[in-house]
Amino acid sequence: GENVEQHPSTLSVQEGDSAVIKCTYSDSASNYFPWYKQELGKGPQLIIDIRSNVGEKKDQRIAVTLNKTAKHFSLHITETQPEDSAVYFCAAKNRWDAGGTSYGKLTFGQGTILTVHP
Amino acid sequence: EADIYQTPRYLVIGTGKKITLECSQTMGHDKMYWYQQDPGMELHLIHYSYGVNSTEKGDLSSESTVSRIRTEHFPLTLESARPSHTSQYLCASSEPSLRVTSYNEQFFGPGTRLTVL
Repeated sequence: GENVEQHPSTLSVQEGDSAVIKCTYSDSASNYFPWYKQELGKGPQLIIDIRSNVGEKKDQRIAVTLNKTAKHFSLHITETQPEDSAVYFCAAKNRWDAGGTSYGKLTFGQGTILTVHP
Repeated sequence: EADIYQTPRYLVIGTGKKITLECSQTMGHDKMYWYQQDPGMELHLIHYSYGVNSTEKGDLSSESTVSRIRTEHFPLTLESARPSHTSQYLCASSEPSLRVTSYNEQFFGPGTRLTVL
């Protein structure tokens, strides 16, 4: 099965700096890579995702890059703000399971606690 | 914001009690999931469902059971709670797989924080 490793486990930055979180995956058949942000007392929320047919995707201050050959993908947050402080999870999924139907099972990384200091 | 709800948000109970954690979604999603999130933050899939009358065990063994009698409702039950069941339980759902463009993005509820004394 898929295995996703996420680093670092904690990340502390000053407001305005950039933050980078990296993930590696094991299953070369994985083709969908979402990133979730979990704030205290809430469930994870999807913030950005990337599919295997693209190498980079950007949405305002956040961007994700994917290197299929190396099987790793990264989340980049620029101009960080205190409200970016949260736990971030990467995940990976093969859209199709062995039976040829999709059941949407995600494998999550271990999570990164991001703290942005004012 | 996703229309997926969990009740109760917090629950403190004694050992041996039977409990049911409720999860409902109003998005018409056919797939639903239960995750257990330990203090170390990792999310572990414990149950999932393809649709009505479909339930499957997830990656992490759990003593809980689930049912899916209605599309919008996916409750989780513990027949006899123990302190080892203390955790955060997150429910999620994803959109119908029949859509060609769907990658089954998962939407999460706010979670139930369960403490068993």
